Amino acid sequence: QQQVKQSPQSLIVQKGGIPIINCAYENTAFDYFPWYQQFPGKGPALLIAIRPDVSEKKEGRFTISFNKSAKQFSLHIMDSQPGDSATYFCAGVTGANNLFFGTGTRLTVIP
Amino acid sequence: EAGVAQSPRYKIIEKRQSVAFWCNPISGHATLYWYQQILGQGPKLLIQFQNNGVVDDSQLPKDRFSAERLKGVDSTLKIQPAKLEDSAVYLCASSFSGGVGETQYFGPGTRLLVL
Repeated sequence: QQQVKQSPQSLIVQKGGIPIINCAYENTAFDYFPWYQQFPGKGPALLIAIRPDVSEKKEGRFTISFNKSAKQFSLHIMDSQPGDSATYFCAGVTGANNLFFGTGTRLTVIP
Repeated sequence: EAGVAQSPRYKIIEKRQSVAFWCNPISGHATLYWYQQILGQGPKLLIQFQNNGVVDDSQLPKDRFSAERLKGVDSTLKIQPAKLEDSAVYLCASSFSGGVGETQYFGPGTRLLVL
């Protein structure tokens, strides 16, 4: 059972564009929502995270928007760069700090 | 600060053979996780250790998978016997104490191909 659903599966944008990746969850026990970035041959690395009592969080060019009532959250990447080309995973975290990942979005930023 | 170390990086075996993966977490991290990442999917937690005790192994296929963290530091994950569907990247991660929202730091993974 997929506890976190992620879309789109892949995304291609021009440099400077604003890719948006969406996630939806069912498990109301999640109390932390991180985004991980993964480059080929590497393990995932934490990019940004949000708690459900906050509707938006910005860190540099990355923004999470969170809608608790809809059980949805999204990642926006401002002024995207070719170096942002990677696979992005959203996740929900339980009280035991267990990560439940989405299926991933492969982002390609064209120079 | 050194990151999470894993070895080997790649392994090719035939079905029904056994294989073992090794992980050394970040120094001082009490919590260690093993994930399975099948191609095109997100990582799935297999087992979580707190020091040398198991916190959660509900998604570990115990008929063929085993893991240990005897001294509360490094860990091994074993598959015996391997099946074709075990082909995946096995990721190890660690966090300081396992508290909610603590960052999990991932190693580069071991890519397993079962023929």
